[in-house]
Amino acid sequence: KNQVEQSPQSLIILEGKNCTLQCNYTVSPFSNLRWYKQDTGRGPVSLTIMTFSENTKSNGRYTATLDADTKQSSLHITASQLSDSASYICVVSGAGSASKIIFGSGTRLSIRP
Amino acid sequence: DTGVSQDPRHKITKRGQNVTFRCDPISEHNRLYWYRQTLGQGPEFLTYFQNEAQLEKSRLLSDRFSAERPKGSFSTLEIQRTEQGDSAMYLCASSLVGTGVANEQFFGPGTRLTVL
Repeated sequence: KNQVEQSPQSLIILEGKNCTLQCNYTVSPFSNLRWYKQDTGRGPVSLTIMTFSENTKSNGRYTATLDADTKQSSLHITASQLSDSASYICVVSGAGSASKIIFGSGTRLSIRP
Repeated sequence: DTGVSQDPRHKITKRGQNVTFRCDPISEHNRLYWYRQTLGQGPEFLTYFQNEAQLEKSRLLSDRFSAERPKGSFSTLEIQRTEQGDSAMYLCASSLVGTGVANEQFFGPGTRLTVL
């Protein structure tokens, strides 16, 4: 069964600290993996997209890694800001069908001043 | 604003009523997706269109749900005889197939449906 599991479910850190969110998946065949940021009550916004051949990609203070062999990805946030408080969703696309775009349940990140 | 727009942003209805949501994708995008998201969960795929053709529907899309994209531009999602379990955020996304960015989807702000 195609699945995307994220951990932790929720995380609280102090402003200025770093954190790492995890994503494990079983989607096969694999096409690409994306991390989205979703503010409360809003639609998700793409942070990074990685294909099979890419193992790291950065977008400002966000750095995503991908290990296609172990089917794991991480999103590292550096020097967190209050505006980073949101849900971070890992999305894995399987090759071929649109229904093989599988969303994780997200990690709810709260940044405290 | 050239992003994906959805209307209405919020809808409160009584059980048994019909509701219709609209999505306007990014103008040059040929694919349009509908998702449903409940609190604390990631979006779940409902259906998608390529141009005006509805190419795939999830088993989540019961016969009370119908989606259209008549001219390959905007899309509507109708829910008939709403049930309390239909309460959720309904998200629309669009993408342009054939570009080099792995079919990146751009999401609208969503329509939050509450069925009383």
